[in-house]
Amino acid sequence: QKEVEQDPGPLSVPEGAIVSLNCTYSNSAFQYFMWYRQYSRKGPELLMYTYSSGNKEDGRFTAQVDKSSKYISLFIRDSQPSDSATYLCAIYNNAGNMLTFGGGTRLMVKP
Amino acid sequence: GAVVSQHPSRVICKSGTSVKIECRSLDFQATTMFWYRQFPKQSLMLMATSNEGSKATYEQGVEKDKFLINHASLTLSTLTVTSAHPEDSSFYICSARSRSGGAYYNEQFFGPGTRLTVL
Repeated sequence: QKEVEQDPGPLSVPEGAIVSLNCTYSNSAFQYFMWYRQYSRKGPELLMYTYSSGNKEDGRFTAQVDKSSKYISLFIRDSQPSDSATYLCAIYNNAGNMLTFGGGTRLMVKP
Repeated sequence: GAVVSQHPSRVICKSGTSVKIECRSLDFQATTMFWYRQFPKQSLMLMATSNEGSKATYEQGVEKDKFLINHASLTLSTLTVTSAHPEDSSFYICSARSRSGGAYYNEQFFGPGTRLTVL
């Protein structure tokens, strides 16, 4: 079992839809949770960063962490074609000193 | 966020040659730098971690004699792919993290990547 699991998609939605992206993880020692966005042939860009259970909102993006279920989500409201990219969840274990990435979910927002 | 640059962005080389990729943190001091490899439609695979002034720590299965990493300063790390072969063709991405306080403490920022094609 991979430490971080993520549905690869692709996920295709119409413009304006609410998008839900999810990851599960197995190691309860994981402490910090990130979402990165990666456009084709570009490096990942940090979108959201949280370390506690609950919701964190930033504009159209909401990151949600449920440590009891080892489940993290990223919600995108009013999705735009420019949101089309691969979204990677990443989890940081302070003791391990490294990020563990999910496989990435490819999102396509159609105009 | 902080800026991490990579050079070159794209390189094509003949089999058997060596290629050097530079990674720079432009507005913060990176105490730790990471090198990843990414194949098409796949996630990032960590190759090695380097701390400034120390030898790099390689992940299992990564040949340290083939992928030479140097982290000589707090703003520069280099990855040299030695005697490159077509199977080394991939997208190489560096990442930098500051553990020394400041606005970017403990966040990890990625470079734009270098696409290597070995003929």
